[in-house]
Amino acid sequence: GDSVTQMEGPVTLSEEAFLTINCTYTATGYPSLFWYVQYPGEGLQLLLKATKADDKGSNKGFEATYRKETTSFHLEKGSVQVSDSAVYFCALSRPYNTDKLIFGTGTRLQVFP
Amino acid sequence: DAGVIQSPRHEVTEMGQEVTLRCKPISGHDYLFWYRQTMMRGLELLIYFNNNVPIDDSGMPEDRFSAKMPNASFSTLKIQPSEPRDSAVYFCASSTDVGTGGPDTQYFGPGTRLTVL
Repeated sequence: GDSVTQMEGPVTLSEEAFLTINCTYTATGYPSLFWYVQYPGEGLQLLLKATKADDKGSNKGFEATYRKETTSFHLEKGSVQVSDSAVYFCALSRPYNTDKLIFGTGTRLQVFP
Repeated sequence: DAGVIQSPRHEVTEMGQEVTLRCKPISGHDYLFWYRQTMMRGLELLIYFNNNVPIDDSGMPEDRFSAKMPNASFSTLKIQPSEPRDSAVYFCASSTDVGTGGPDTQYFGPGTRLTVL
């Protein structure tokens, strides 16, 4: 079945370091892909999305490119801040059943000053 | 817009008691989702509604769980009787169809942290 696989956390970085959180997916056809972020004590919120191959989603300095050939949607940021500490979820919605999102297990990011 | 509103934010109850969680979706949204989040199982979709009609309740763990959406602006998730293993954070999310044949971005509420003693 369709699924999303994320790298295990926690990811621990110093401020201003480069961030990559890996996400790969399995799906039939061309799903839409999402990154959601959950700050401590809050609900999830959309960070960025891409709806077709080679699209790049970007927001708040974060980027992710929809790579059909490698079935990946890795999240990157050039210089992280302490305020980026959160849990990041990769998700997909299937092309012929777009009602539901399929979430990965989440990756916790901890940024230290 | 105030966003998705959930109440209560925290609930502590004793095993065997009935628990009711409430959600008000964003006005105009026609999809509503209930999720449960735990350390062990991560984020699980319990049930979702479209235009107040339950579409998929395959994630509801057992008969002790029930959800209703009597109108477009209100939904409840009820657990009766509650058990300690139901302790989790329960999220409500809403979305709308943007013409792609399904919902677009889901907007999450702040969650209800449930503790069953």
